[in-house]
Amino acid sequence: DAKTTQPNSMESNEEEPVHLPCNHSTISGTDYIHWYRQLPSQGPEYVIHGLTSNVNNRMASLAIAEDRKSSTLILHRATLRDAAVYYCILRLSSGSARQLTFGSGTQLTVLP
Amino acid sequence: EAGVAQSPRYKIIEKRQSVAFWCNPISGHATLYWYQQILGQGPKLLIQFQNNGVVDDSQLPKDRFSAERLKGVDSTLKIQPAKLEDSAVYLCASSFQGEIAGGYTFGSGTRLTVV
Repeated sequence: DAKTTQPNSMESNEEEPVHLPCNHSTISGTDYIHWYRQLPSQGPEYVIHGLTSNVNNRMASLAIAEDRKSSTLILHRATLRDAAVYYCILRLSSGSARQLTFGSGTQLTVLP
Repeated sequence: EAGVAQSPRYKIIEKRQSVAFWCNPISGHATLYWYQQILGQGPKLLIQFQNNGVVDDSQLPKDRFSAERLKGVDSTLKIQPAKLEDSAVYLCASSFQGEIAGGYTFGSGTRLTVV
């Protein structure tokens, strides 16, 4: 399985943008890039996903490098409620399983 | 839309005892997953169901863990007998036919402490 590399932790100030990086140099051509986040004492929550093009939704933006070997999750204005562990996951697009395999993620701390 | 329901929320048992967790997925979601999350780690997949059939249970410790999904809706995960290293949060998730779009929806989990 293709793996991802994320920083263990990051800090951000409230109301400032946050850029969470993810490296996935062994990504295959049909693997989707998914981002989930996990707030304290909750299950992971879907944030966004993409294949090749940049994506935007109400929660965040996903910027994907042209060679697809890295991506960045962008939170445009961090709030205290965005403090969570953020997981970057490559999801297999073929086969019956197509599972989510989580790494250790990035612990985001938002400072008031 | 109602989320994924799990119970109990917390459970404390002694080692060698048995325990069961229950999950009710989102209505219409054919695919159901059980994950184990040890403190400080990301969730690890234990088993995946498609309707009431097992798709992948390669990481399920079958000597002590079992899971079933009768009628393709609710699911139970059982541990018998429990070991200290089974202390973790057990997360249930569901998705619509394992689709790419929309992702998985997770429950809040059951926190198991084995003493």
